[in-house]
Amino acid sequence: DTAVSQTPKYLVTQMGNDKSIKCEQNLGHDTMYWYKQDSKKFLKIMFSYNNKELIINETVPNRFSPKSPDKAHLNLHINSLELGDSAVYFCASSPSGAGPGYTFGSGTRLTVV
Amino acid sequence: TQLLEQSPQFLSIQEGENLTVYCNSSSVFSSLQWYRQEPGEGPVLLVTVVTGGEVKKLKRLTFQFGDARKDSSLHITAAQPGDTGLYLCAGARGGYQKVTFGTGTKLQVIP
Repeated sequence: DTAVSQTPKYLVTQMGNDKSIKCEQNLGHDTMYWYKQDSKKFLKIMFSYNNKELIINETVPNRFSPKSPDKAHLNLHINSLELGDSAVYFCASSPSGAGPGYTFGSGTRLTVV
Repeated sequence: TQLLEQSPQFLSIQEGENLTVYCNSSSVFSSLQWYRQEPGEGPVLLVTVVTGGEVKKLKRLTFQFGDARKDSSLHITAAQPGDTGLYLCAGARGGYQKVTFGTGTKLQVIP
């Protein structure tokens, strides 16, 4: 049973398109996150939701919109994709706040051409 | 501005050697986590340390949190090829314990 699962694993799309990445966790955690990992492997937080409420919203373009229909799901929708959006996007969850540590999904490699 | 600097950035060693990875910051953290990430996968949590001066051991891995809770180290004894990967430290602080990741250390253990 996968604890944090995100789909798709790979996403190749053209500039200007709109795409979504889905994430689900079956750990009963209250908090979910989206992180972006760049080509230098640096992980930067984008969003965090606690029990469906947005609690962290870093400096991310408005083209990125998270949506949490319930506390087990956190999806990421990206409008008008740009070349610079190419990266690996990770979903993660934690029991309540990130102090104890995260459980990460296996990532979605987004390539914008 | 990187809040958490890791050193070294890259490390290539022979099987059986010992190594230490450092994670340094000018900020105080309420807890510090270490992760290992393998290619094509997400980071996997190895340990969380919360008390200044705390030492935790996980088989051949020893983790230490600095007394002032600003830095941490990871020591691996008798490295194995299975230890190969990207090691990331991450510090938590503030409301909802916002986590900032370090710059990463890429370790290669040669058989």
